[in-house]
Amino acid sequence: DAGITQSPRHKVTETGTPVTLRCHQTENHRYMYWYRQDPGHGLRLIHYSYGVKDTDKGEVSDGYSVSRSKTEDFLLTLESATSSQTSVYFCAISRGAGMGYTFGSGTRLTVV
Amino acid sequence: AQSVTQPDIHITVSEGASLELRCNYSYGATPYLFWYVQSPGQGLQLLLKYFSGDTLVQGIKGFEAEFKRSQSSFNLRKPSVHWSDAAEYFCAVGGSSGGSNYKLTFGKGTLLTVNP
Repeated sequence: DAGITQSPRHKVTETGTPVTLRCHQTENHRYMYWYRQDPGHGLRLIHYSYGVKDTDKGEVSDGYSVSRSKTEDFLLTLESATSSQTSVYFCAISRGAGMGYTFGSGTRLTVV
Repeated sequence: AQSVTQPDIHITVSEGASLELRCNYSYGATPYLFWYVQSPGQGLQLLLKYFSGDTLVQGIKGFEAEFKRSQSSFNLRKPSVHWSDAAEYFCAVGGSSGGSNYKLTFGKGTLLTVNP
């Protein structure tokens, strides 16, 4: 579709370990976002980026950090994974005003 | 702050019946409004969007939505539902300016079940 890929697609990790999820785009878009999806909560914004090294927090940012050292990659890190961070994580890009998002296929993360 | 309410968590309809999914939003300026669909185990696909102009917008897969400013609503409709429409539907609201960073706020979703 828009050349947006997430890796890994699935991951199981232990409580207390750090985890990094990767979002890669091939279209040079400025705006990128990380959401988590949980039953009964819909999608909630974790962090977003509006350019290289320009990031900001969303509504559920506690326990997460992000980095964007180049336009094509937006990394989400769980510093010390907890069971409450078991979720499906979606990356998205925006092409600008009124365009909405294009989503990646998601990463299913299980913290045991 | 922007917000979206989808009052119906789960809706069941028979194949061939009409469908209306409700969405109410809160936004301080003129919003962009979107409907997305998510099939089981899949990502989200854009169905349609609205910013200005005709308040009735057409989308993919035979869906349409009507923007009603006075009711802060953007309801999704389809005249005749197909079994393949079974999915979860999300309404979203976002800003139109670069200052908003085009962030979208999503509703909690409505799960649609289609009976044969």
